[in-house]
Amino acid sequence: SYVLTQPPSVSVAPGQTARITCGGNNIGSKSVHWYQQKPGQAPVLVVYDDSDRPSGIPERFSGSNSGNTATLTISRVEAGDEADYYCQVWDSGVVFGGGTKLTVL
Amino acid sequence: QVTLKESGPVLVKPTETLTLTCTVSGFSLSNARMGVSWIRQPPGKALEWLAHIFSNDEKSYSTSLKSRLTISKDTSKSQVVLTMTNMDPVDTATYYCARIRAGMATILIDYWGQGTLVTVSS
Repeated sequence: SYVLTQPPSVSVAPGQTARITCGGNNIGSKSVHWYQQKPGQAPVLVVYDDSDRPSGIPERFSGSNSGNTATLTISRVEAGDEADYYCQVWDSGVVFGGGTKLTVL
Repeated sequence: QVTLKESGPVLVKPTETLTLTCTVSGFSLSNARMGVSWIRQPPGKALEWLAHIFSNDEKSYSTSLKSRLTISKDTSKSQVVLTMTNMDPVDTATYYCARIRAGMATILIDYWGQGTLVTVSS
């Protein structure tokens, strides 16, 4: 089965740029979607098809995907961005990464 | 406005069968290239996909749980039902239903329900 690997945690100061990676075998050939989950809430789609944003998601959220790594980039990080982030692909089933906790220092 | 709402028992006993219902609004279960998925999340752990069903009744199940899961839909009632047999304490989790969209060789989840916490305990 296909495995997605995320770092357990990423820390960044307010105003800086956070990069959350998602590793998988030849993930660049797949479409990657990213979800934000705040404590006690359901996940929210923040990036789909590698780099597209749903309506209502700030431009500060962007994505890229190449080779064996997809990356979610959050620019000008705010305190409200503190959350768990999950990557997801389709590979004979929906596959989620293990999640990354973003801490805003 | 798309909404999904899960309903079902909050507590089940080991070996029992869990039945969860997802009631949707704001879209039809007959919409092409759309469907509903069930996803769960044990406390403090990651998301785990369970199953999905599309408008054409195409179904797919998690390989590891396939023998225990059944998904079905009633389009006239706007409901999707998931049953999971032989429940165990390790199945304690928040269970989410979510709307899915099929794209080019992909499936994404664009709307989520609020989730329902199911505890398995005697």
